[in-house]
Amino acid sequence: GQNIDQPTEMTATEGAIVQINCTYQTSGFNGLFWYQQHAGEAPTFLSYNVLDGLEEKGRFSSFLSRSKGYSYLLLKELQMKDSASYLCAVRAGNTPLVFGKGTRLSVIA
Amino acid sequence: DVKVTQSSRYLVKRTGEKVFLECVQDMDHENMFWYRQDPGLGLRLIYFSYDVKMKEKGDIPEGYSVSREKKERFSLILESASTNQTSMYLCASKSEQANTEAFFGQGTRLTVV
Repeated sequence: GQNIDQPTEMTATEGAIVQINCTYQTSGFNGLFWYQQHAGEAPTFLSYNVLDGLEEKGRFSSFLSRSKGYSYLLLKELQMKDSASYLCAVRAGNTPLVFGKGTRLSVIA
Repeated sequence: DVKVTQSSRYLVKRTGEKVFLECVQDMDHENMFWYRQDPGLGLRLIYFSYDVKMKEKGDIPEGYSVSREKKERFSLILESASTNQTSMYLCASKSEQANTEAFFGQGTRLTVV
């Protein structure tokens, strides 16, 4: 089986930087995904990592360390619209994604 | 743009009813999935399908069945709805290529009374 952990809630200030961590345990690791989900809406894809290192996409970056079973999502220049849940999901082999419980981020003025 | 469309945004059904949740995707994706999402539990996989007429159980298949008669459509069936099946149901699809993301429908919030 797979075990994915991420913090339940985080709060950060508008304009700041926030890092959302995700740790996982799985065999046959084949990729880690981050999704954003606003309240009442569908999850939308943010980033994908399969090799170690940092992937940057505008204000969002995602990092992966396979040896440590660790990833983080970095959000820069926070905006109020970034208030949402952030879901970490892991794929093992060709199996469907397994999701963590999500981190609810609140951005305050 | 990939579109995954679920037939209803909100549904209210009575205990014991047979419930059909429909999902259609327009990107010719091979793989389709049904998840439910509950507070504090995250997304949990109910069933998935990698091809027409193919289905596999996910982590919580009890009380559910699925149908995939056509590539673009994946239906979730609650044989006899119960109150513990009140939840948000999310359909997703993806290409069979390994490193591609899944696209989600807007979700169906089902309430069983």
